Amino acid sequence: EAQVTQNPRYLITVTGKKLTVTCSQNMNHEYMSWYRQDPGLGLRQIYYSMNVEVTDKGDVPEGYKVSRKEKRNFPLILESPSPNQTSLYFCASSSSGTGGHTEAFFGQGTRLTVV
Amino acid sequence: GENVEQHPSTLSVQEGDSAVIKCTYSDSASNYFPWYKQELGKRPQLIIDIRSNVGEKKDQRIAVTLNKTAKHFSLHITETQPEDSAVYFCAATGDYKLSFGAGTTVTVRA
Repeated sequence: EAQVTQNPRYLITVTGKKLTVTCSQNMNHEYMSWYRQDPGLGLRQIYYSMNVEVTDKGDVPEGYKVSRKEKRNFPLILESPSPNQTSLYFCASSSSGTGGHTEAFFGQGTRLTVV
Repeated sequence: GENVEQHPSTLSVQEGDSAVIKCTYSDSASNYFPWYKQELGKRPQLIIDIRSNVGEKKDQRIAVTLNKTAKHFSLHITETQPEDSAVYFCAATGDYKLSFGAGTTVTVRA
């Protein structure tokens, strides 16, 4: 079954304690991205990756890091989380070859609370 | 980069009526315009998409129109039903970034 898997689904942490949210896809997609969803602000892109070892900042990258060492995995790292990073996070993947983008598949979401 | 604006932010319609959501984009190089539906507590899922070489696309009760000259595209839902109640997001690609609008909360009144 084609899917994007995020872990954990829920996380409560304290300010400054490093954390990683994992994302894995089994569709051999080139393009992966991370979004945060906050009420009234829609889905804002944090980082995206066009392929292995190719990443770029989205619209709200401050306070986040990513890596793309393998095609299937795209972890989101918060080195020193702060309360303003409390949000619902989604990972997504899609194909982005010469034909352009195709449907983006989203993970289940990770609800992060930083206290 | 791409900037996508979406209107209205909330929309309440009587069951059976039509709903229209409008989006504008800034990057004339954008060539892919998907629409996603997010039900409460769930992930966004694609409901329809359109590419820049097509002006209109329809799938049962939903349709999308694209005006490249004006850089806007719209989602039309006809004969609305209670299960259409959700948040709808438009999106556009530019520079490989898939940028989303802020979303429209649609409520279908029985």
